[in-house]
Amino acid sequence: GESVGLHLPTLSVQEGDNSIINCAYSNSASDYFIWYKQESGKGPQFIIDIRSNMDKRQGQRVTVLLNKTVKHLSLQIAATQPGDSAVYFCAESQGAGNMLTFGGGTRLMVKP
Amino acid sequence: NAGVTQTPKFQVLKTGQSMTLQCAQDMNHEYMSWYRQDPGMGLRLIHYSVGAGITDQGEVPNGYNVSRSTTEDFPLRLLSAAPSQTSVYFCATRKWGNEQFFGPGTRLTVL
Repeated sequence: GESVGLHLPTLSVQEGDNSIINCAYSNSASDYFIWYKQESGKGPQFIIDIRSNMDKRQGQRVTVLLNKTVKHLSLQIAATQPGDSAVYFCAESQGAGNMLTFGGGTRLMVKP
Repeated sequence: NAGVTQTPKFQVLKTGQSMTLQCAQDMNHEYMSWYRQDPGMGLRLIHYSVGAGITDQGEVPNGYNVSRSTTEDFPLRLLSAAPSQTSVYFCATRKWGNEQFFGPGTRLTVL
């Protein structure tokens, strides 16, 4: 909904294509990272997480990549579907799930 | 099992009024927290609690109070509402070390 970012960066993809959403984090001491999906009018929903001792983690249709050298996190969604349309946030913390710092979000729009 | 519930869903206040946003969970999670989300921004942590009787400040605690008398409930109190507190408020819970579960949010407007 309108409460989740009037001026968010937007990624527009065709249904069936792969999507890549990027996130730069700032705290080199962060060792736990999460991707959330937020649909209009709803709270954030957990997608996938990764700890700093890993570079890659795969879930169902989603992959998270972590590059600690450049403090960069990405979320790859395979075969993007209309139901994937939402705002995606990355979050970081020191320790699993302790005080989370959220990024600004990216709006994903899937064209049928 | 209702998960995380928040009431009210919508609220309009006048500047200076006080109110309490309610958050309840039935998952027996130790950790509960309150976030606010402003347009164009991610969520920012207001207060959190690691268990009954224990609360601590997050990133943006000013103007808000919390208490945690039971595991299930974590109310957020606005002492004297200001227009800058217009936002969407989310409550979240988790078991220690695991993913957070967010409630549906309360949309607050302060005139």
